[in-house]
Amino acid sequence: GAVVSQHPSRVICKSGTSVKIECRSLDFQATTMFWYRQFPKQSLMLMATSNEGSKATYEQGVEKDKFLINHASLTLSTLTVTSAHPEDSSFYICSASLLALYNEQFFGPGTRLTVL
Amino acid sequence: DAKTTQPNSMESNEEEPVHLPCNHSTISGTDYIHWYRQLPSQGPEYVIHGLTSNVNNRMASLAIAEDRKSSTLILHRATLRDAAVYYCILQGGSNYKLTFGKGTLLTVNP
Repeated sequence: GAVVSQHPSRVICKSGTSVKIECRSLDFQATTMFWYRQFPKQSLMLMATSNEGSKATYEQGVEKDKFLINHASLTLSTLTVTSAHPEDSSFYICSASLLALYNEQFFGPGTRLTVL
Repeated sequence: DAKTTQPNSMESNEEEPVHLPCNHSTISGTDYIHWYRQLPSQGPEYVIHGLTSNVNNRMASLAIAEDRKSSTLILHRATLRDAAVYYCILQGGSNYKLTFGKGTLLTVNP
């Protein structure tokens, strides 16, 4: 099946710094990529949807200036958490999809962000 | 988004079949029924999806009620590696978004 990777798998940063998370589709070209956030013992919450070469569409309540998404190619999307705070500590998961009627999503393994 | 309702948790014994129910009474005609599962500290994994007819793949079977207001994910022989949170999600038409609910935590006993 299609493989999606994320880098880094874990990151610890100081409050006020910025952190970049990469999401790559390794063996297919993804028309759309999604970014989710998951707090402990909670479900995944969709943060934004991004299409290659266009601006991301953010879900209600997600600050686009804080969570910068760049989808520069069909195989790479990045999420930058700017001026991170402890409350941004979470499990960030990306997914990628192919243009298809049912649009199965292939998920990355996730990135654990801890902000001190 | 159309909602789904799943039991919070279920328990099964190894090598026995498991039937995970999902109610989606407000499903629309263009909504696909997707199932994903998530192991601890991992990203979700696609399991199966369907529209109207029952579906089978190497991982599971999906039984869809005739009125499409409910569905059941069937794991034919549960293994310890099947212990996960299972999410039933409706995905509508050209809206490619997946809205995750709380899912069902499946525990498999040896």
